[in-house]
Amino acid sequence: EADIYQTPRYLVIGTGKKITLECSQTMGHDKMYWYQQDPGMELHLIHYSYGVNSTEKGDLSSESTVSRIRTEHFPLTLESARPSHTSQYLCASSTSGSTDTQYFGPGTRLTVL
Amino acid sequence: KNQVEQSPQSLIILEGKNCTLQCNYTVSPFSNLRWYKQDTGRGPVSLTIMTFSENTKSNGRYTATLDADTKQSSLHITASQLSDSASYICVVSDRGSTLGRLYFGRGTQLTVWP
Repeated sequence: EADIYQTPRYLVIGTGKKITLECSQTMGHDKMYWYQQDPGMELHLIHYSYGVNSTEKGDLSSESTVSRIRTEHFPLTLESARPSHTSQYLCASSTSGSTDTQYFGPGTRLTVL
Repeated sequence: KNQVEQSPQSLIILEGKNCTLQCNYTVSPFSNLRWYKQDTGRGPVSLTIMTFSENTKSNGRYTATLDADTKQSSLHITASQLSDSASYICVVSDRGSTLGRLYFGRGTQLTVWP
């Protein structure tokens, strides 16, 4: 079992609210990632980080933002949630090697009404 | 265009039976191919990883094969159990960047019935 945690697991929120999805890992991994996954669809990379103070946008355009102030913590923020943001958000981490396995958290299921 | 296609989209088998899931990819340049298992409501968990030079890799009742020439992979599950019910995702990594970018298939949803 990977030591990567996400909170909350489920979130139902109204349009226009600001939300932060938390992700923490205790494995000391340098690389961390955020993916978005809709039912029956593939995972899409929305943000990644090589290390502290390093963040990059992924392949799928997202209105969310991320920060990496500490190695173990990689929160994702939506300033103003909309129904189109309804999805599952998965956080992952890996060591610095290009072939190293990504360990995934349990995910946050977000519903915006 | 780099893509990963999986088949079938869904599969139902009886407990104890074997099954094979397929993955075709067009990712180039190729670095490695992984199979992940994703239980409902959970994050994916890595089952196997194969690089260009490997053509088979086993993990318990799971055996993955890779044909880098035809760009095909399969995941064979032996003596299926109820706990095998999950989505199985094929993930291919390229060598094109320091990130080792991952391309995800949509997964095969496997249901094992008693």
